[in-house]
Amino acid sequence: AQSVTQLGSHVSVSEGALVLLRCNYSSSVPPYLFWYVQYPNQGLQLLLKYTSAATLVKGINGFEAEFKKSETSFHLTKPSAHMSDAAEYFCASYNFNKFYFGSGTKLNVKP
Amino acid sequence: SAVISQKPSRDICQRGTSLTIQCQVDSQVTMMFWYRQQPGQSLTLIATANQGSEATYESGFVIDKFPISRPNLTFSTLTVSNMSPEDSSIYLCSARYNNEQFFGPGTRLTVL
Repeated sequence: AQSVTQLGSHVSVSEGALVLLRCNYSSSVPPYLFWYVQYPNQGLQLLLKYTSAATLVKGINGFEAEFKKSETSFHLTKPSAHMSDAAEYFCASYNFNKFYFGSGTKLNVKP
Repeated sequence: SAVISQKPSRDICQRGTSLTIQCQVDSQVTMMFWYRQQPGQSLTLIATANQGSEATYESGFVIDKFPISRPNLTFSTLTVSNMSPEDSSIYLCSARYNNEQFFGPGTRLTVL
């Protein structure tokens, strides 16, 4: 069975600090992996995706994620948080025409 | 990219009634999906709606409760039937286009 686990339902960082949102996947076959962001009252917006090319993936708004097969992880990072990054972030895996979403991590950015 | 719109954006409904949510995509897509996002939880796939065939439902979801229509390549509807407070949720439409997944803004449903 496939699943995606996001460690930490809430993460709080100060503006300018490093953002690290954790995601681990379980799958018998290495899946495609995604990070989505959801702002209040909006749909999901794709941040970045891993599709078995480069293991370090750069996305929009300065975010990047690294696929580590040995750790079955796809953590999302950003060197310096901005107030506008406050949102909910979802990690997702895609395999066999289905998406599997993590439970989401709400990022709070303190001034 | 594909732009997805949903109507209504939100609604408050009485127990026992039904609500139909509309999803419109600005491009022709083969695969459309309906998700539920319950309060404080992640997205759960309800069903896959392909044009010209019956929707395929995930475990725990049945056609009688969530009938789906897919009359053409740009439109789909999801009906939440005989609603109860447990159906209070955000319902999101999604479509696969050019090997990417796009999501609508969601319909926030509250059942009293």
